[in-house]
Amino acid sequence: KQEVTQIPAALSVPEGENLVLNCSFTDSAIYNLQWFRQDPGKGLTSLLLIQSSQREQTSGRLNASLDKSSGRSTLYIAASQPGDSATYLCAVVETSGSRLTFGEGTQLTVNP
Amino acid sequence: EAGVAQSPRYKIIEKRQSVAFWCNPISGHATLYWYQQILGQGPKLLIQFQNNGVVDDSQLPKDRFSAERLKGVDSTLKIQPAKLEDSAVYLCASSWTGPAETQYFGPGTRLLVL
Repeated sequence: KQEVTQIPAALSVPEGENLVLNCSFTDSAIYNLQWFRQDPGKGLTSLLLIQSSQREQTSGRLNASLDKSSGRSTLYIAASQPGDSATYLCAVVETSGSRLTFGEGTQLTVNP
Repeated sequence: EAGVAQSPRYKIIEKRQSVAFWCNPISGHATLYWYQQILGQGPKLLIQFQNNGVVDDSQLPKDRFSAERLKGVDSTLKIQPAKLEDSAVYLCASSWTGPAETQYFGPGTRLLVL
């Protein structure tokens, strides 16, 4: 059974800092890995999708890397802003392509 | 492009009562998902539809939960009877063809069972 773990559970940083969120998964037979953002009281917004054959994806100030063999992914946020405050969730789709399995998320607070 | 719509946004009921949630996916999306998100946890898939057929309901508590997708568009999720542990946010999502691509989420329905 696939298990996804995110560390840390919560993170508080000053504005302008570069930061890294971590995600690990137990079964490396994945189809892709996805990062989402969730704002309080709202649904999830997809940030980045990395195919199993890729090593990283970039969107603006966000960069996600994938090391499938070690079962790890990182989300790098450059020059953090208060508007980045949210919960960040990673999720994997296994090679069967059947479903997304989510981690519990990292709650990020960026202080002005 | 309109997003995924859900209603109601909030619902408070007493245990053993029944409740229903509604979801309208993005136009043209064949795949529709219902997730349960308990406070402090990531979403857990309850059921996945491909058009109007069920693809995966292995994590749906079928003794109390039911779902349908009429004509391959709108969907309803029902809980009867509700238990205290059903208190959660119920998220609906949709995608063009399947879970390996980007899913678009609605705002969710927050359920509190007293």
